Amino acid sequence: TQLLEQSPQFLSIQEGENLTVYCNSSSVFSSLQWYRQEPGEGPVLLVTVVTGGEVKKLKRLTFQFGDARKDSSLHITAAQPGDTGLYLCAGGGPSSGSARQLTFGSGTQLTVLP
Amino acid sequence: NAGVTQTPKFRVLKTGQSMTLLCAQDMNHEYMYWYRQDPGMGLRLIHYSVGEGTTAKGEVPDGYNVSRLKKQNFLLGLESAAPSQTSVYFCASSYYRGLRTEAFFGQGTRLTVV
Repeated sequence: TQLLEQSPQFLSIQEGENLTVYCNSSSVFSSLQWYRQEPGEGPVLLVTVVTGGEVKKLKRLTFQFGDARKDSSLHITAAQPGDTGLYLCAGGGPSSGSARQLTFGSGTQLTVLP
Repeated sequence: NAGVTQTPKFRVLKTGQSMTLLCAQDMNHEYMYWYRQDPGMGLRLIHYSVGEGTTAKGEVPDGYNVSRLKKQNFLLGLESAAPSQTSVYFCASSYYRGLRTEAFFGQGTRLTVV
């Protein structure tokens, strides 16, 4: 079983602050995704990273995949109340696996206060 | 473009009752999944399917059955509901190209078993 641990579990910050959320595993993943989930909705894909060391930027969000493809981080610059939500990382199954199932972390609940 | 549609959105069952949750996707994805989401536990995989006519167990399959008679539909059944199955259920579909596995989620079904 591939486990993904996210930290912190809860984060409450003021508008304008920066933050980083971490996603760690002892397993290697072929890809790693970040999703955001708002109350009453399903998770929505934000980004996919596939190459060790890869960095992707989505406006104020910066995603990084670890060199060994076992961990990832999400950094938000100048957080806004609209960034509030549950952030989930998910690892794509190994390329040699029989199914392309995703393993999800337990999530980071982010609250950005105005 | 509807994406992934789940029905129903809410349901209350009495212990021992049965029900079926329906998931439909219009993206021609091969892979479909059923997850449950409980507070503090992220998304846990119940069952998944890698194609029409095939299903497999995930992390927490006990008490659930699934069927994938058509590529676009994935049904989740509870034969004898228990209070421990109170949860929010999400269906997802995904594609796999290269090293990427990216999932698209429905809006969820909130199930309460009393």
